[in-house]
Amino acid sequence: KAGVTQTPRYLIKTRGQQVTLSCSPISGHRSVSWYQQTPGQGLQFLFEYFSETQRNKGNFPGRFSGRQFSNSRSEMNVSTLELGDSALYLCASSSGLVYEQYFGPGTRLTVT
Amino acid sequence: GQQVMQIPQYQHVQEGEDFTTYCNSSTTLSNIQWYKQRPGGHPVFLIQLVKSGEVKKQKRLTFQFGEAKKNSSLHITATQTTDVGTYFCVESNQFYFGTGTSLTVIP
Repeated sequence: KAGVTQTPRYLIKTRGQQVTLSCSPISGHRSVSWYQQTPGQGLQFLFEYFSETQRNKGNFPGRFSGRQFSNSRSEMNVSTLELGDSALYLCASSSGLVYEQYFGPGTRLTVT
Repeated sequence: GQQVMQIPQYQHVQEGEDFTTYCNSSTTLSNIQWYKQRPGGHPVFLIQLVKSGEVKKQKRLTFQFGEAKKNSSLHITATQTTDVGTYFCVESNQFYFGTGTSLTVIP
């Protein structure tokens, strides 16, 4: 089985712009979660989608949004980028809540 | 949501020494999962514990789930440089990974 893929792998944006990141889960996995990882804050949960519905949400502002398509692929959007949004964004897929998560390689976002 | 707290945040050990990281919760956990993230990599699932008092081993790694299901530990015997990385514990339906424990192994 192919693993979780994320595109793009690297991205440089300017403050105020918006960005869309993509995640393709492992085939058959219906749950996709998104995380932000920074050196100081660790791995922080953004949201989780299951069957095209946002099922769980972390404590991030409304500038961070996501969606999931019928084929379970997911996108994450960040609007009005701030310098503090520079981070590694990881997505993970799972068969469901009680199962392990499989992480993708991440998208490294740099905001200048 | 419920958060599992992990200690220590950082640990430096000489190669060959043992290492332990602990996870604690104020409430009963349904399960606990452990992940390892190598420097520059992404978290990789290691194991899941579900039963009270459960102990599982993977070569030099020993995972324990407390009798009250409120704490868990990961113990590495005779660390090697390949053990370097950050270890996270998380309850499967809570998504809270936190900062984990960063392990440095000094050759």
